[in-house]
Amino acid sequence: AQSVAQPEDQVNVAEGNPLTVKCTYSVSGNPYLFWYVQYPNRGLQFLLKYITGDNLVKGSYGFEAEFNKSQTSFHLKKPSALVSDSALYFCAVRDWAGSARQLTFGSGTQLTVLP
Amino acid sequence: GAGVSQSPSNKVTEKGKDVELRCDPISGHTALYWYRQSLGQGLEFLIYFQGNSAPDKSGLPSDRFSAERTGGSVSTLTIQRTQQEDSAVYLCASSSGLASYNEQFFGPGTRLTVL
Repeated sequence: AQSVAQPEDQVNVAEGNPLTVKCTYSVSGNPYLFWYVQYPNRGLQFLLKYITGDNLVKGSYGFEAEFNKSQTSFHLKKPSALVSDSALYFCAVRDWAGSARQLTFGSGTQLTVLP
Repeated sequence: GAGVSQSPSNKVTEKGKDVELRCDPISGHTALYWYRQSLGQGLEFLIYFQGNSAPDKSGLPSDRFSAERTGGSVSTLTIQRTQQEDSAVYLCASSSGLASYNEQFFGPGTRLTVL
């Protein structure tokens, strides 16, 4: 079985400050991990993914995420937040050893960047 | 290039009516997924198509839900005898190839409201 937890429903950060959106996962084998962003009335847009290799993954719009196997975490980060980063962020996982082909998503974290 | 498209963008129906939702995946993508996003919740997997293989229907919530994919391209999700709890945004996604680490590309969704 595969599952994802996003412990924070809401994250507020001031523009220019660093931001972190937390994600922890559970899989039987090794994970493929993804971050998506959803703007109002839009579908999800892919930000970045971890497959293997370097634990720090860089993605779109200046976002990055760090894979930590011992803590089973994949937190999304950005050094300097923009007001335009305000959106709903989803973490997702797929167990590469499992039979499920679909992604399992977290419940989402609403990020608000305050001007 | 063209992304995933879905129609209609909004659908309002009366309880007990049948509805059909359409998804046009990215050309050449062999994998197609349907998810449901309810208010304040994450994405719930419904069904997965890969090429000409039998679909994975393990996420369909009841036998009122069905989906087909004609010619390996366009997909239709049908909900029979709609109930108020079916109200949600229905998202379609597609991805290329068989690799389970390929990111999924999402359409804008169909917002279904059952009165």
